[in-house]
Amino acid sequence: QVQLQESGPGLVKPSETLSLTCTVSGGSLSSYYWSWIRQPPGKGLEWIGYLDYSGNSDYNPSLKGRVTISVDMSKTQISLKLTSVTAADTAVYYCTRDSPPNMASDSWGPGTLVTVSS
Amino acid sequence: DIQMTQSPSSLSASVGDRVTITCRASQRISYYLNWYQQRPGKAPKLLIFAASSLQSGVPSRFSGGGSGTDFTLTISDLQPEDFAAYYCQQSHSLPRTFGQGTKVE
Repeated sequence: QVQLQESGPGLVKPSETLSLTCTVSGGSLSSYYWSWIRQPPGKGLEWIGYLDYSGNSDYNPSLKGRVTISVDMSKTQISLKLTSVTAADTAVYYCTRDSPPNMASDSWGPGTLVTVSS
Repeated sequence: DIQMTQSPSSLSASVGDRVTITCRASQRISYYLNWYQQRPGKAPKLLIFAASSLQSGVPSRFSGGGSGTDFTLTISDLQPEDFAAYYCQQSHSLPRTFGQGTKVE
């Protein structure tokens, strides 16, 4: 059974870059899509972007070019980078596995809280 | 972007009740609609995909319906562990978007 685990700094200063890693165990990265989704405290879910098994990616335009998602196949890790962060980027960040053809997120990591504050 | 509107935002129910949550898309999304449950402090969990397909391991008291723009999630015989937040999500177009959530209290 696939397991996902997010990791990275819990505190990031304003204007700096948020960097998170999702380690996938118990399954292959191939044949699936991998997304990052975030949830500000007490609020709803926002899709950040995804990476497919070929390395292609797409992002939410609301993040205005600040986001990059990449993969390290040898380590079975998916990475998220979000630049020029502000307090509005404070959220729990989740990585998910999305299954074609419907692209529902059928596996989720437990999430990691990232706070943007000086 | 496709806007997803859930109703109600919250509802009060009792164990054993039948509960229905609706989700409306701002444009037609065929059957590309998913439902998630989120318990406090936990990651969301997929309940229903493709509008009406039950995810493996999810109790049969959960059911989904609809296509096009209007969808429903029904919980029959509400159980104590079902008191949670529920979100719909469209996976028809990018960016994927979620409803604002419905809290079952």
